[in-house]
Amino acid sequence: QKEVEQNSGPLSVPEGAIASLNCTYSDRGSQSFFWYRQYSGKSPELIMSIYSNGDKEDGRFTAQLNKASQYVSLLIRDSQPSDSATYLCAVMRTNAGKSTFGDGTTLTVKP
Amino acid sequence: DTAVSQTPKYLVTQMGNDKSIKCEQNLGHDTMYWYKQDSKKFLKIMFSYNNKELIINETVPNRFSPKSPDKAHLNLHINSLELGDSAVYFCASSLTRVEYTDTQYFGPGTRLTVL
Repeated sequence: QKEVEQNSGPLSVPEGAIASLNCTYSDRGSQSFFWYRQYSGKSPELIMSIYSNGDKEDGRFTAQLNKASQYVSLLIRDSQPSDSATYLCAVMRTNAGKSTFGDGTTLTVKP
Repeated sequence: DTAVSQTPKYLVTQMGNDKSIKCEQNLGHDTMYWYKQDSKKFLKIMFSYNNKELIINETVPNRFSPKSPDKAHLNLHINSLELGDSAVYFCASSLTRVEYTDTQYFGPGTRLTVL
């Protein structure tokens, strides 16, 4: 079993729709959770971090964390073609000194 | 100003050669990392340094040797390059390695092709 698993892609949504990206993790000691966006040929960039159960909203992005279910998700509202990218879920255990990344989900937003 | 920079951006070399990739961050961060991203986009940590001290070594072949002359620099030297080393190598930095501050800032990547 992989430490961090993301829903297999690619995911395609029409412009204006909600894109839902999911991530599960196996280490119950994980405390920090991150979503990175990576455009083709570019480096990953952080778009959301979440540390407590519940929802965290930032503009069109909402991260949801459920530690009991070991599940973290990212919702993108009003999806735009510019959101087309690979989204990487990363999980960090307390004091581990590193984040473990999922394989990524490629999102395509069609105009 | 570039926060995390890497050189070179592209590196094409023959099997068996030795090459180095350099990384510098001007963010004042304590921790730096090397990641390898393969053709399937899987991003895997290789090394992590905190204030010039190696803290993570993820069972990377000893042909790979990182060096941190100071906390703003982390270089990666690779001996006897193999075909399987072809990948994009990302350098990253974070403020510390402790939770809540582990947001990582990535460099632009070095695309290594071994022929």
